[in-house]
Amino acid sequence: NAGVTQTPKFRVLKTGQSMTLLCAQDMNHEYMYWYRQDPGMGLRLIHYSVGEGTTAKGEVPDGYNVSRLKKQNFLLGLESAAPSQTSVYFCASVTGELSSTDTQYFGPGTRLTVL
Amino acid sequence: DQQVKQNSPSLSVQEGRISILNCDYTNSMFDYFLWYKKYPAEGPTFLISISSIKDKNEDGRFTVFLNKSAKHLSLHIVPSQPGDSAVYFCAASGYGGATNKLIFGTGTLLAVQP
Repeated sequence: NAGVTQTPKFRVLKTGQSMTLLCAQDMNHEYMYWYRQDPGMGLRLIHYSVGEGTTAKGEVPDGYNVSRLKKQNFLLGLESAAPSQTSVYFCASVTGELSSTDTQYFGPGTRLTVL
Repeated sequence: DQQVKQNSPSLSVQEGRISILNCDYTNSMFDYFLWYKKYPAEGPTFLISISSIKDKNEDGRFTVFLNKSAKHLSLHIVPSQPGDSAVYFCAASGYGGATNKLIFGTGTLLAVQP
């Protein structure tokens, strides 16, 4: 049971390049989330999914797209990277309603630098 | 508009003493609150939570207190240990229907001195 994994761990892009971040979970969780963490800003929700085939916008969705074609995978895409997207990206998942025994589990993060 | 606020960016305490981390929120629709702990180069890990119908939840050395009238919660760590040194994020849920979305605070860096 690997939990939540993220690929890649690090990436450097040039402005205008595109890339896809992959999040995979093996816990059969329904809900998945993409966050970004910036200094002094905490974690901010980019997009989320409440089940296979569904996606929705979070707090800071501009410049990103997502897809959830398979229940276990949640992809985050940057079509034309900008320096403002330099950040650490975290994926999380949860099976159902939040409780003391069921909460959002986070991946280890992807550190992205856009030059 | 920061709905969840952690006004102390950092806190330093001596090993064995109590650490108190604070969190304020503005949205009265929040009904579930969580604390996450984050070490450098790792993802956040769940620490403890509390429902809005309670005012206290305890798990070993960690206790979370909720004061709904003041829209304030705090995390107490007793006794503090050097391994507790990390960034602590407060988070709130309940505003997005059945989506389990979380709003996070900006975090407090706790340093426990040996």
